Amino acid sequence: GAVVSQHPSWVICKSGTSVKIECRSLDFQATTMFWYRQFPKQSLMLMATSNEGSKATYEQGVEKDKFLINHASLTLSTLTVTSAHPEDSSFYICSASPGGVQPQHFGDGTRLSIL
Amino acid sequence: DQQVKQNSPSLSVQEGRISILNCDYTNSMFDYFLWYKKYPAEGPTFLISISSIKDKNEDGRFTVFLNKSAKHLSLHIVPSQPGDSAVYFCAASRNTGGFKTIFGAGTRLFVKA
Repeated sequence: GAVVSQHPSWVICKSGTSVKIECRSLDFQATTMFWYRQFPKQSLMLMATSNEGSKATYEQGVEKDKFLINHASLTLSTLTVTSAHPEDSSFYICSASPGGVQPQHFGDGTRLSIL
Repeated sequence: DQQVKQNSPSLSVQEGRISILNCDYTNSMFDYFLWYKKYPAEGPTFLISISSIKDKNEDGRFTVFLNKSAKHLSLHIVPSQPGDSAVYFCAASRNTGGFKTIFGAGTRLFVKA
């Protein structure tokens, strides 16, 4: 089955630092990947659509300069949380699907804690 | 604006009985619906889906029913097993526009042995 790998699984860092999260499709190519954020006991909120070779499409209310997305290859998308602050602490999850058709397959998520 | 709603935050069911999880949506443009299962500290795992041209899809113990006129779908698990205990997310998308998928808030299912 389609496998999506996310790294790291857990990050703790000081306020003001930047954190990069990687999302890889291990056994398929993905021209599109999705980045979600989940607060405790809440839904998965779509942050942005990552497009290989072009700019990401951000959802309303998501700061582009805060959450930098790079989709440089057909198997890798990265999300960089720049100058992270405690309010950025959350569970970040990526997804992708073979051939761009449903269903999406999710990584195991990254728990980000900013002190 | 919550386009996909799961109004029950939790559900408790006895092992062997039926679990019914409900989901409502507001956007009539959605034409593909999915259920995902999620354990703590893991990403969601795809469970079952249904296209808007159908009203029922079955896969083993899992059946999804879609009522388009009511903008309602449900997931039935029969028989329920303790290993089914998890958070279940309902999701909806349009098969155009890059398959952007909107998720409900989730329902936590407890299956008691």
